[in-house]
Amino acid sequence: GEDVEQSLFLSVREGDSSVINCTYTDSSSTYLYWYKQEPGAGLQLLTYIFSNMDMKQDQRLTVLLNKKDKHLSLRIADTQTGDSAIYFCAAKLDSNYQLIWGAGTKLIIKP
Amino acid sequence: ETGVTQTPRHLVMGMTNKKSLKCEQHLGHNAMYWYKQSAKKPLELMFVYSLEERVENNSVPSRFSPECPNSSHLFLHLHTLQPEDSALYLCASSQDWPGVNTEAFFGQGTRLTVV
Repeated sequence: GEDVEQSLFLSVREGDSSVINCTYTDSSSTYLYWYKQEPGAGLQLLTYIFSNMDMKQDQRLTVLLNKKDKHLSLRIADTQTGDSAIYFCAAKLDSNYQLIWGAGTKLIIKP
Repeated sequence: ETGVTQTPRHLVMGMTNKKSLKCEQHLGHNAMYWYKQSAKKPLELMFVYSLEERVENNSVPSRFSPECPNSSHLFLHLHTLQPEDSALYLCASSQDWPGVNTEAFFGQGTRLTVV
């Protein structure tokens, strides 16, 4: 079946950039999403990118999409302690619009 | 109150108990979902309701029984659960199902522990 993979952990120093990576298998995915889950909370949509785009920037967030390699990344500039969370990558299948989720990457901020 | 609200936030139940999880959305959405979140595993979509009709049931055991009495409320009835069912159960809603670009709004989840 379709699959989305992410590393489980990423540790960065406060003030550095964080880059969270994701790979997916369905080349026809129309939309790719990044969700953020803070401790004790549900998931919140951070940003998304349509499959005909290579890059999307929104303040400190930059999403890069490499369709050829089926690779998605989320860059967070100037990482702050408030960015500590689990970041989920999800791909929307073109066939039935169902979301396929990754297992989430826990972002750990070191002082 | 706005958004997606789930109750209770925490639930501990024995394997012979019957309990229900409740979800309420005040967003005017037509679709509601139940997800299971286990540590270090992808989110598992359990059920989807669109306009109060179940449209997806992803091979979920019958000990989980959803109910959608109206477009604002969604329940998950639990009975004779197993310890491996312990997880965070997330409710979500979106404007429509299916949809090309339908953002899902999530509740805070119910942390379920089966003892």
